[in-house]
Amino acid sequence: DIQMTQSPSTLSAYVGDRVTMTCRASQSISNSLAWYQKKPGKAPKILIYEASRLEGGVPSRFSGSGSGTEFTLTISNLQPDDFATYYCQQYKSYSITFGPGTKVDIK
Amino acid sequence: DVQLVESGGGLIQPGGSRTLSCSFSGSVSTFTFTHLWMTWVRQAPGKGLEWVANINQGGSEKYYVDSVRGRFTISRDNANNFLYLQMSSLRVDDTAIYYCARGGTASSWFWEDWGQGTRVTVSA
Repeated sequence: DIQMTQSPSTLSAYVGDRVTMTCRASQSISNSLAWYQKKPGKAPKILIYEASRLEGGVPSRFSGSGSGTEFTLTISNLQPDDFATYYCQQYKSYSITFGPGTKVDIK
Repeated sequence: DVQLVESGGGLIQPGGSRTLSCSFSGSVSTFTFTHLWMTWVRQAPGKGLEWVANINQGGSEKYYVDSVRGRFTISRDNANNFLYLQMSSLRVDDTAIYYCARGGTASSWFWEDWGQGTRVTVSA
């Protein structure tokens, strides 16, 4: 199975900050990567697919980049609604795997 | 717009069985339930997201995470727009919120619409 890791596990930031988090795959997954936002008690929400394509309706302050084994999710101008946990997910393999998540909390 | 509503969760004893249901309504552009891959994803208490199973449009392709293969069965009823997850030989570590989600028409397995989840608790 393809293993996904994410760093940091927790990220503390202020409203208005630019934050970047990393997702790494144990083998190349090309650009078969999605990012989700998860808040307690809510369903996951897709932000990015194919590593860098913004899902419709998602604010443009979210952006994704990378290919192969290393990927980043950047949130520019962090808003109060953005404090959440972010998960990457690979779909290169039929055995889909999520990363362990990066929690973004208020500094 | 798509709406997904899960049901069937509850308290189950270890070794027991339960079937989860997910009703699908709406459409994605011109595509309806019968055109879309579907999935179940779960989140155990205090843990991250874990993919559980996928099913293709006609139900001929099914994929499972190793920890549930042989115990869980994903299926769908395209006539009535329902997705199911039959769970048997349940274990304490199957305790989680189970979400159904829809994919696209191709086997690019990212999930664009999600239900609110149904809670499954496996405990004596």
